[in-house]
Amino acid sequence: DSGVTQTPKHLITATGQRVTLRCSPRSGDLSVYWYQQSLDQGLQFLIQYYNGEERAKGNILERFSAQQFPDLHSELNLSSLELGDSALYFCASSSHRGLDEAFFGQGTRLTVV
Amino acid sequence: AQTVTQSQPEMSVQEAETVTLSCTYDTSENNYYLFWYKQPPSRQMILVIRQEAYKQQNATENRFSVNFQKAAKSFSLKISDSQLGDTAMYFCAFMEYSGGGADGLTFGKGTHLIIQP
Repeated sequence: DSGVTQTPKHLITATGQRVTLRCSPRSGDLSVYWYQQSLDQGLQFLIQYYNGEERAKGNILERFSAQQFPDLHSELNLSSLELGDSALYFCASSSHRGLDEAFFGQGTRLTVV
Repeated sequence: AQTVTQSQPEMSVQEAETVTLSCTYDTSENNYYLFWYKQPPSRQMILVIRQEAYKQQNATENRFSVNFQKAAKSFSLKISDSQLGDTAMYFCAFMEYSGGGADGLTFGKGTHLIIQP
């Protein structure tokens, strides 16, 4: 158990819909990262938050957004969903601005039908 | 932009053999880390080993060791005495950092390693 909790584990939704994925980092970790793993694109970094502030952006679509709340949990919002958004979405957390090990959650499997 | 290349989509070896997974990367930065992550069928991402680019000594974790060639931008993973539980996807990853902290990981496409009994 990495200590990073992601909910839900599985999500099935229709095209055009909006979903929210939730991540609770390990206790004390200030950095949260979101990654997407798909057959087409592999593992891609989406976005990073550090202590509530956006710190780095990767290949995140404009239809996607994220935020980190005062209690340090994070949410990834995916809107106007397309079939190609079907993927495994990972959250990872680390302390000290990411200069130490990042611990990954179990992921949320999103299926868009 | 940084890129990470893993040229072996799949490898298969017998239990107890030694196997080496290759990885090359491209960057113009000086401050970075390199990682190998393991993803078993459970899909959990597990850190295997990590190397700081400024360290010349190759990292070692029990049966896992790396051969880090900074000038050649090469970062291979050697697994000694391979075990059935080593069967998994292995991802090489790169992470740049600055005074403000670290960016996200850039991953290779992965190598599917199969350990045969």
